Amino acid sequence: QVQLVQSGAEVKKPGTSVKVSCKASGYIFTIYFMHWVRQAPGQGLEWMGIINPNSGATSYAQQFQGRVAMTRDTSTSTVSMELSSLTSEDTAVYYCARAGIPAINPINWFDPWGQGTLVTVSS
Amino acid sequence: QSVLTQPPSVSGAPGQRVTISCTGSSSNIGAGYDVHWYQQLPGTAPKLLISGNSNRPSGVPDRFSGSKSGTSASLAITGLQAEDEADYYCQSYDSSLSGSWVFGGGTKLTVV
Repeated sequence: QVQLVQSGAEVKKPGTSVKVSCKASGYIFTIYFMHWVRQAPGQGLEWMGIINPNSGATSYAQQFQGRVAMTRDTSTSTVSMELSSLTSEDTAVYYCARAGIPAINPINWFDPWGQGTLVTVSS
Repeated sequence: QSVLTQPPSVSGAPGQRVTISCTGSSSNIGAGYDVHWYQQLPGTAPKLLISGNSNRPSGVPDRFSGSKSGTSASLAITGLQAEDEADYYCQSYDSSLSGSWVFGGGTKLTVV
């Protein structure tokens, strides 16, 4: 079955960076775009960006431009998201979520989602 | 401030029908982009509930239905059950700025 398994929880100091990974299985990795979405404690969902696992091309939400980098490793079917210059406002659960259908046009839904990775930023 | 607007909370008794609205604008729902809905049970990742405005994935009970009209969409839940108590999010695409996927702020459903 299709599965996304994310790396474990992280505790980081302000000003540092964090890298979260997401290993995909059960489908052809390169034909489905992958998104990253975060959720601060008690808050809603916030889209961060998208990566094309085939080409490596990315598009980031404006509020994260210059601070986020999404990469992929096709040999291990893994995508990663690195967020730098962390502040306490980056404390959140970070999810990877696959595009719902394989398509040149990635404008569709998110399914499935990874289990989430809690990133805590604290001095 | 979310791009898509949802009521913060709704409630209903077991067996009743509730609806959750999702209001957008001319750069997202009104531009023809589809609306999708997710259910998030406490402490878990969101799960796809409705795709493409009104399509239920396999395994989603037919008590859940979605619709879209103009710049808004709605999720309806009939025959409310205790296990439906969760947060619900709508999602679409917005073509303003450089384009982005957008969510509603979420609606907490309480089964009273």
